[in-house]
Amino acid sequence: QKEVEQDPGPLSVPEGAIVSLNCTYSNSAFQYFMWYRQYSRKGPELLMYTYSSGNKEDGRFTAQVDKSSKYISLFIRDSQPSDSATYLCAPNNDMRFGAGTRLTVKP
Amino acid sequence: NAGVTQTPKFRVLKTGQSMTLLCAQDMNHEYMYWYRQDPGMGLRLIHYSVGEGTTAKGEVPDGYNVSRLKKQNFLLGLESAAPSQTSVYFCASSYSMGTGELFFGEGSRLTVL
Repeated sequence: QKEVEQDPGPLSVPEGAIVSLNCTYSNSAFQYFMWYRQYSRKGPELLMYTYSSGNKEDGRFTAQVDKSSKYISLFIRDSQPSDSATYLCAPNNDMRFGAGTRLTVKP
Repeated sequence: NAGVTQTPKFRVLKTGQSMTLLCAQDMNHEYMYWYRQDPGMGLRLIHYSVGEGTTAKGEVPDGYNVSRLKKQNFLLGLESAAPSQTSVYFCASSYSMGTGELFFGEGSRLTVL
């Protein structure tokens, strides 16, 4: 079993939709959970991070961690075409990343 | 504010040739990393360094060597390139390991024919 599992998509939604991106991980010792966003032909950039379980909100983005089920989620409300990118989860204790989910938001 | 700079950005090699990718960071970070990114595989860690003069293997180190002679530079070498090493290579640096944000370069696209 891979340490980080993420559905690579691709995922296509209409503008204004709520998007849910998810990852599972296997190491119960992970404490920090990062989401990176990568635009086409660019390097990834940190979008959000959470520590331990719970939710964290930043504008239209919400990161959620459920340590009991080893499940992390990123929700995007009122999605915009500018959100079109690949989103990578990273339980960052181990420097490993999920495969990344490629999201397209259509106008 | 350059951040992390990778050179070259593009390169085409023939099988068996050698080359070096250079990563430079101006943030005084101790930790530096080399990843490769392939479709459907995400980012996979090749090698990393926890400080000047140190290197360590990541998930997929075979066929690559690295050196960190100066704190700001991290070099990735391919001694005998193979078509399986066709990929996009990303360098990253961070202030701390495990808890700190990784800052990435723009990537280096390598094609091995």
